[in-house]
Formats: sequence, C-alpha cells, structure tokens
Amino acid sequence: GENVEQHPSTLSVQEGDSAVIKCTYSDSASNYFPWYKQELGKRPQLIIDIRSNVGEKKDQRIAVTLNKTAKHFSLHITETQPEDSAVYFCAASKDTGRRALTFGSGTRLQVQP
Amino acid sequence: DGGITQSPKYLFRKEGQNVTLSCEQNLNHDAMYWYRQDPGQGLRLIYYSQIVNDFQKGDIAEGYSVSREKKESFPLTVTSAQKNPTAFYLCASMISGSGANVLTFGAGSRLTVL
Repeated sequence: GENVEQHPSTLSVQEGDSAVIKCTYSDSASNYFPWYKQELGKRPQLIIDIRSNVGEKKDQRIAVTLNKTAKHFSLHITETQPEDSAVYFCAASKDTGRRALTFGSGTRLQVQP
Repeated sequence: DGGITQSPKYLFRKEGQNVTLSCEQNLNHDAMYWYRQDPGQGLRLIYYSQIVNDFQKGDIAEGYSVSREKKESFPLTVTSAQKNPTAFYLCASMISGSGANVLTFGAGSRLTVL
C-alpha cells in the first residue's frame, strides 16, 4: 500500500519568514495530494491540494509543488503569521481502489512573533 | 458542525468494555472513513465504507468494528480486543466521483481507557 513520509516533524520560524514542509510517497499510481491544517483541539481542514497533472499550485501565501518523477511534494508558506501555527499533514491517494487518503506523520509549525 | 457530527466528544472506558463512537453526516456523501490520531503518527485509517451495507478494513482494523446500515451513519465500535484504544478518533466523509478525494472531517472523539 501507499506510504507517505513527512519532514520535518517540528518547524519553528520567525514571523515573516518562509516555511517549507516536504513529503514523499511510494505508490506511483497516487494522483491526488492534499495538505491539511489542524489547529490545536480542532479538526483537520483542507488548505490546498494538487493533482498529478499539475506541477505547482498557489493560493495567496501558500503553494504546493509536485515532482512526480521523484515522488515528492512540498508545501510552501510565505510571510508566515502567528495564526499559521498548527500541525500540517500531507496526504496522497488515487482514484482507484479504496481512494482513502494516506497521511504523513505531521509537522508542527510554530511561528514566533 | 461542518455537516459531520461525532459523539461523544470525550469518552472514558474501563478496560474490557466495548464502546461505540457515533458519526452522522448530512452532506449526502457516499464514502465514510474512520481515522485514529496518535501524537507523532499522523492519521491512520481504521475502516472505510464506499457505499451503504459495505465496508472494508483499513490499515489498523484489529480490535475495531463498524456498520453502515444508512448512508448518513457510520458508527465505530472499539472492542476489548483493541490493546491500546486511548486515542483521538476522527470520522470523515467524501463525495464520490468529484475528481478530487476531498475529506471532510468531524470534530473528533477522544477516548481514554482508565
């Protein structure tokens, strides 16, 4: 089955700096890669996603890049703000079979004011 | 609460007891999922159901059971066979055929074994 690895497990940045979280996946058939943000005590919420036919997607201060050949994708947050502090999860899935998301282990991002 | 309601929010169980976590959705989604969240391990899939009256084991199904008698409901039973049941449990649903496997999560149930 699919295996998703995520790094780093914790990340501390100064407000205004950029943050990058990286994930690798194992199943070359995976074609959908979302990122979820989970604030303390709350449910995970989708912040951005990318499909395998696209190399990069941007939404305001966040962007995701995908390298299908290397089977890795990354989340980039620019101009970080204290409200970006949360746990971020990457995930992968495909259109066939169970279609369930396989998640990475999460990255705890702390933005220092 | 976002169309998916989980109850109870907090649950305490004595060893040897079975407990059932409720998950109800009003989003008309076909597929429903149960994930377990432990610190530092991300979300792991317990069971999933893509259609009423059908469900499949996920990656960590041992010690759990589910049913899917109605489209709206997907309850999870944590049995006494589950060796380490203390965790945060998240229910999610997904619309089929959307072209993107977007999960909508409930608020979660935190189970503690005393």
